[in-house]
Amino acid sequence: EVQLVESGGAMVQPGGSLRLSCAASGFTFGNNAMSWVRQAPGKGLEWVSSISGSGATKNYAGSVKGRVTVSRDNSRNTLYLQMNSLRGDDTALYYCATQLGGYLTNWFDPWGQGTLVTVPS
Amino acid sequence: QPVLTQPPSVSGASGQRVLISCTGNSSNIGAGYDVQWYQQFPGTAPKLLIYGNVNRPSGVPDRFSGSKSGTSASLAITGLQTDDEADYYCQSHDRSVKGVVFGGGTKLTVL
Repeated sequence: EVQLVESGGAMVQPGGSLRLSCAASGFTFGNNAMSWVRQAPGKGLEWVSSISGSGATKNYAGSVKGRVTVSRDNSRNTLYLQMNSLRGDDTALYYCATQLGGYLTNWFDPWGQGTLVTVPS
Repeated sequence: QPVLTQPPSVSGASGQRVLISCTGNSSNIGAGYDVQWYQQFPGTAPKLLIYGNVNRPSGVPDRFSGSKSGTSASLAITGLQTDDEADYYCQSHDRSVKGVVFGGGTKLTVL
């Protein structure tokens, strides 16, 4: 069974840092691009970052660029999101998801259950 | 402000059909990027409903269907059931923002 389990969420003061993890199982992790998507309380979904299967290609949303770094350890089947200079509008449930598809098309399936990051404003 | 525009809410009677629209522009849907749809119940993670505009993952009932035309896409749900009450999100790619974009989500109410 394919499973993604996020961890590392916490309450952090503005300006602080946090590293989120996503442990994957049930599929060949290194063969798949992975992504982070967040959802602020009561709000919609917002893509945060994606990383290719090899880790060579990384993309970031404008709202987090320069403050966030995505990485992966394929030997540990784990995805990471290092978050720095955290702000109140970073407060959200952070999901990791497997990114599938290719040119002109990409989708997320499956998703983890999410880990909550809270930054008091 | 989400790049893709969805109606905040739609409703329909049990057994009837509803359409949820997703409007983009020439940088995303109109540029040829495919549209995906996700279903999300309160307190749970989103679930893939439609990918590649029209394809259903295994296990998704054929009451759910997707379409795309020009700069817009639609999700149709037929034979509405109370279990369909959820939030629905469209998703695509945008070459201007150089990344994935979502719609703001649509809350479906089954009357």
